[in-house]
Amino acid sequence: DVVLTQSPLSLPVTLGQPASISCRSSQSLVYSDGNTYLNWFQQRPGQSPRRLIYKISNRDSGVPDRFSGSGSGTDFTLKISRVEAEDVGVYYCMQETHWPSITFGQGTRLEIK
Amino acid sequence: QVQLVQSGAEVKKPGASVKASCKASGYTFTNYGISWVRQAPGQGLEWMGWINTYNGNTNYGQRFQGRVTMTRDTSTRTAYLELRSLSSDDTAVYYCAFHPGPGSGSAGFDYWGQGTLLTVSS
Repeated sequence: DVVLTQSPLSLPVTLGQPASISCRSSQSLVYSDGNTYLNWFQQRPGQSPRRLIYKISNRDSGVPDRFSGSGSGTDFTLKISRVEAEDVGVYYCMQETHWPSITFGQGTRLEIK
Repeated sequence: QVQLVQSGAEVKKPGASVKASCKASGYTFTNYGISWVRQAPGQGLEWMGWINTYNGNTNYGQRFQGRVTMTRDTSTRTAYLELRSLSSDDTAVYYCAFHPGPGSGSAGFDYWGQGTLLTVSS
């Protein structure tokens, strides 16, 4: 299986400051159609996961523009330009390139300092 | 709008089976697959498998092969997850998620159900 390694696993951030989460894959996530199926999710306490970013850098509808995704091949990053209180939760990267083995990163817990 | 509504919480004894449901609305059910993902208490997300709602073909995660069956009923727009030979390690929230599947060119998991809590305890 493709292993996704997130860092850091815990991310204390001051309100209004930026935050960055890395996701590294054990294999390239470029699919045969040329797309890279690397997604980012936010899971707030007690809620279902919510997709924020798909195919590396495409923001989902309703996701604030302070969230952005970047990267290529095996290295990807989720950035929050200015952290707000509602951003508290766990963030996961996920790959669906290597079908039929979909994998998630371990999760990064974002908290307010 | 796309909605996935899952069945209620379940309590099962070790060795038993469970069948959870996921009722879809707001789109053409047979045009898009459904994936199942579980989350043990305090743990991360784990993909279990996917069903092609058009023809019923399935792909299961290696860890669940032989113990899981995913089905669907197109007349009621409902996907099902059956898990057998339960142990306490299966205590988790089970989510269904909208997932077009391979070759579609579209990323999945943009819509999720609310989750079904399964507790396995003697």
